[in-house]
Amino acid sequence: GAVVSQHPSWVICKSGTSVKIECRSLDFQATTMFWYRQFPKQSLMLMATSNEGSKATYEQGVEKDKFLINHASLTLSTLTVTSAHPEDSSFYICSARRLAVEIDTQYFGPGTRLTVL
Amino acid sequence: AQSVSQHNHHVILSEAASLELGCNYSYGGTVNLFWYVQYPGQHLQLLLKYFSGDPLVKGIKGFEAEFIKSKFSFNLRKPSVQWSDTAEYFCAPMRSYIPTFGRGTSLIVHP
Repeated sequence: GAVVSQHPSWVICKSGTSVKIECRSLDFQATTMFWYRQFPKQSLMLMATSNEGSKATYEQGVEKDKFLINHASLTLSTLTVTSAHPEDSSFYICSARRLAVEIDTQYFGPGTRLTVL
Repeated sequence: AQSVSQHNHHVILSEAASLELGCNYSYGGTVNLFWYVQYPGQHLQLLLKYFSGDPLVKGIKGFEAEFIKSKFSFNLRKPSVQWSDTAEYFCAPMRSYIPTFGRGTSLIVHP
């Protein structure tokens, strides 16, 4: 149990376009999901906390207008990178916290590799 | 601000060697502690966690970690590593439901 999926697993786009990444909890409900960014050989940097039915909470330095987060249901959160630029190229990872069970344990998706040309 | 320090960035061992990866965090108060592992080409998986109680925590695949409150440490150990333990290891203290990930330690185990 506790499976989290991400779609797509990789995407290549042109500079200036927008890209949407989906994060789904497949076998449990998640009121809270997290979005991370991971650079090569570096740690995960928390970008934002996504709460079902309310606005996301962004970490300092993360542009909320550039990284749009929507958490419309208990099993789906989306991250949209708007007007993508080459410096947005990175590995984006989501995680989900199980509702009412192991609330402090996160289950991670496989990640999405974004390459902006 | 919270910070996490993983002292060993790259570790290379031979099979059957013992492993200890250091992790220190900078803040006091109630904190939950996690170690995650990322095998090559796979996503992050929970290795073990500490919430309260016995400070020596046992996880999957023979790993264990010891919480030493006075030292703000949560070091990961395994008495005898295997080739299949080759992976990236991340320490992640969590406070107020928000985790902070360490830089990670790349472990390579030679057969």
